[in-house]
Amino acid sequence: QKEVEQNSGPLSVPEGAIASLNCTYSDRGSQSFFWYRQYSGKSPELIMFIYSNGDKEDGRFTAQLNKASQYVSLLIRDSQPSDSATYLCALLPMKTSYDKVIFGPGTSLSVIP
Amino acid sequence: SAVISQKPSRDICQRGTSLTIQCQVDSQVTMMFWYRQQPGQSLTLIATANQGSEATYESGFVIDKFPISRPNLTFSTLTVSNMSPEDSSIYLCSVEAGQLNYGYTFGSGTRLTVV
Repeated sequence: QKEVEQNSGPLSVPEGAIASLNCTYSDRGSQSFFWYRQYSGKSPELIMFIYSNGDKEDGRFTAQLNKASQYVSLLIRDSQPSDSATYLCALLPMKTSYDKVIFGPGTSLSVIP
Repeated sequence: SAVISQKPSRDICQRGTSLTIQCQVDSQVTMMFWYRQQPGQSLTLIATANQGSEATYESGFVIDKFPISRPNLTFSTLTVSNMSPEDSSIYLCSVEAGQLNYGYTFGSGTRLTVV
């Protein structure tokens, strides 16, 4: 089983709608979770991190973590065309002896004007 | 958070040659990470570089192919040796953004094309 799984997409939403991106993970001991945004031809940019169960909001972005079900999600409210990018879910697994971030395959999001 | 300067930003190289990629960080960091992102794929960790010790390589990556230097706490290089077209990828270095829970910051990447 892959350590971090995401739907590859593409996910298409109309402008102004809510985009919902989901991620599941296999290592129950994972502690910290991250969402990165990557525009085509650019390096990943950290947009959210979460390590406690529940919701964490930052502007139009909300990260949700459920450790019992081993999933983390990212909601983007009032989606804009500029949100069109690939979103990478990442985590820090407990089993490693050093701080190595594991990335999921990414979900491509397209916001249609 | 830490700012990374990575160079070159892109290069086109002949097969059989080597390319060295440099990353300079504006603050001292314990660990630096080197990733590869093949076209249309996610990030794969190549190795972790600690200052003063040999780099730790992930499964599928070896020192002879990807030698790494870490001479001090702000600088590291990754060399892609004896290149083949299969090495065409984006190579990225990464460091902790700040406190560990704040995630990791990436350099701007090196887009390598091997012909």
